[in-house]
Amino acid sequence: EIVLTQSPATLSLSPGERATLSCRASQSVNNYLAWYQQKPGQAPRLLIYDASNRATGIPARFSGSGSGTDFTLTISSLEPEDFAVYYCQQRSYRPPRLTFGGGTKVESK
Amino acid sequence: QVQLVQSGAEVKKPGASVRVSCQASGYTFSSYDINWVRQATGQGPEWIGWMNPNSANTGHAQKFQGRVTMTRDASIRTAYMELTGLTSEDTAVYYCARVGAYCSGDCYAMDVWGQGTTVTVSS
Repeated sequence: EIVLTQSPATLSLSPGERATLSCRASQSVNNYLAWYQQKPGQAPRLLIYDASNRATGIPARFSGSGSGTDFTLTISSLEPEDFAVYYCQQRSYRPPRLTFGGGTKVESK
Repeated sequence: QVQLVQSGAEVKKPGASVRVSCQASGYTFSSYDINWVRQATGQGPEWIGWMNPNSANTGHAQKFQGRVTMTRDASIRTAYMELTGLTSEDTAVYYCARVGAYCSGDCYAMDVWGQGTTVTVSS
């Protein structure tokens, strides 16, 4: 079973700063990794799929990188609406399941 | 527009069952898998299972073996998730989500989500 570990748990930054979020898989997931943003009281929103591809309508300040076991979500310059919790997610086959990481909360300093 | 609309909040007693519905609109219902995810307060999302609305094939996390059933009524573009033997640990917001719009070598990214259904299990 693949486990996704996100770090840090909380990131305290100011608007305009760069955010770097990490997601590490316990074994290789190739590049089949997605990132989601979730705000209080809302469903998660897909940002990135296949490690580095932005979903439709996602601003260019969001970028993803990595492959194998180590992945990064970067927000180049935080906007006020970017303060939220971010989750990574992958698919595995033995056993078949989708798995989410524990999340990183990006909060306003 | 493309959307998934879920049924309303439920309050259940321990041991009871709950069925959550998820109605799709704005796209071809049979062309995309529906996945079910739940999230307890303050926790990360937890995957429950998936259903292919075309074939009605399903799969689920081992944790829910014997307790979860996913079905659909294609005539009204609606998917259902039933969970039996409820305990307080099943208290959570339950989401349906679409998978299939972003498939290269694999399909797993959930691009459209329902608004969530709060299920509370309490005696």
